[in-house]
Parts: sequence; structure tokens; C-alpha cells
Amino acid sequence: KQEVTQIPAALSVPEGENLVLNCSFTDSAIYNLQWFRQDPGKGLTSLLLIQSSQREQTSGRLNASLDKSSGRSTLYIAASQPGDSATYLCAVKGGGSYIPTFGRGTSLIVHP
Amino acid sequence: KAGVTQTPRYLIKTRGQQVTLSCSPISGHRSVSWYQQTPGQGLQFLFEYFSETQRNKGNFPGRFSGRQFSNSRSEMNVSTLELGDSALYLCASMSGYSGTQGVEQFFGPGTRLTVL
Repeated sequence: KQEVTQIPAALSVPEGENLVLNCSFTDSAIYNLQWFRQDPGKGLTSLLLIQSSQREQTSGRLNASLDKSSGRSTLYIAASQPGDSATYLCAVKGGGSYIPTFGRGTSLIVHP
Repeated sequence: KAGVTQTPRYLIKTRGQQVTLSCSPISGHRSVSWYQQTPGQGLQFLFEYFSETQRNKGNFPGRFSGRQFSNSRSEMNVSTLELGDSALYLCASMSGYSGTQGVEQFFGPGTRLTVL
């Protein structure tokens, strides 16, 4: 059974910092990995989708990498802004299942 | 293109009642998945419907059921509500079945259910 861990659980940084969020998974036989952000009490917004055959994806200030052999993905946020404050979740599809397994998320606060 | 819509956004029910939640996927999307999100358990998969057929089911009791209509809209029903059913219920839309390579999930805003 696929297990997904996100570290750290919470992060508070000053505006302008570059930061890295981590997502680890136990079964490297994945189909894809998707990063989301969730604002309090709201639904999930898709940020990036990385296919199994890809190493990274970029969108604006966001860059996500995937290393299947080590069971890790990182989400890099450049020049963080207060509007980036949210919970970031990763979802891994694979490990014998087409149903994504979600991590518990990293709660990010970017203060001015 | 309109996103995923869920109605109602908020619900308050009492124990023992039943509730029906609705989800309209992105136009052209044929797959709808339902999730329950709680602080204690995080996001848990309930079921997936594709072309009116349930394709996958999570580990929830039979009180949780769903269906999908020919226009891809989906409903989720919870009978005999319990206090523990209080949660944010999220619906996700995909263009294809979850087993299709490259499909991306798009989520709705959720329905906040409170059981008293």
C-alpha cells in the first residue's frame, strides 16, 4: 500500500524567501504525482502534474521535481509572497492503484 | 470553461438523517471522484464514477453511496448520519478514467457537512 509523507508539516517564512516542500512515497512504481494547494475551508487547486516519465515540471514561480528511485518529489517556490500562504498537498498515483494517495500536507505561512 | 461545481456549499444535519450532495464536473469530463477530508484522517477516497459506472470504491461503509447521470453530474448520498461524518466532501473531475495515462484531477470547492 502506497504511503505518502510530507515534511515539514508546517512552515513559516518571511516574504521573498525561496523554499522547498517535500513529498516522499514508499512505492516507486508510480504513474504520476500531482501537487495541489488548498486555502482554508476551500477545495484543492491543481498546481503541477508530473508524469512518471518526467523529471520536473515548471509553472511560473513553481518547480516540481520527481525522483522515483528515491521516492521523492520536491516543490520549489521562488520568491515567496503572502498570497502563497496555503496548505500544499501532494497526491501520488501508483503502487498498484489508480486511486491517488494524498499526503497530509505542508501548511505554509508567508509573512510580510 | 467553468470549473467543478458542488452544491450545496454548507449543510447542517442531525444524527440519523440522510444527505445528498451534488457535483457537476468540468464540461466534457466524464470521471467524477469523491473524497472526504477531515483534520484527523486527511483526504480519503470514497468512490469514482466514469460513464455512469462506479469504477473504484474506497474503504467506507455502505451508508455512503453515489451515482452518476448521463450528463456526468454525480450525486453522493450518506444515510443514517453519524457525528463522525462531519467533514469537507470534495469532488474531483477528470477528462478520463483514473487509469488513463496523464489525466489530471480538478477539484470543486467542497461541501462542508456538519452533523449535530
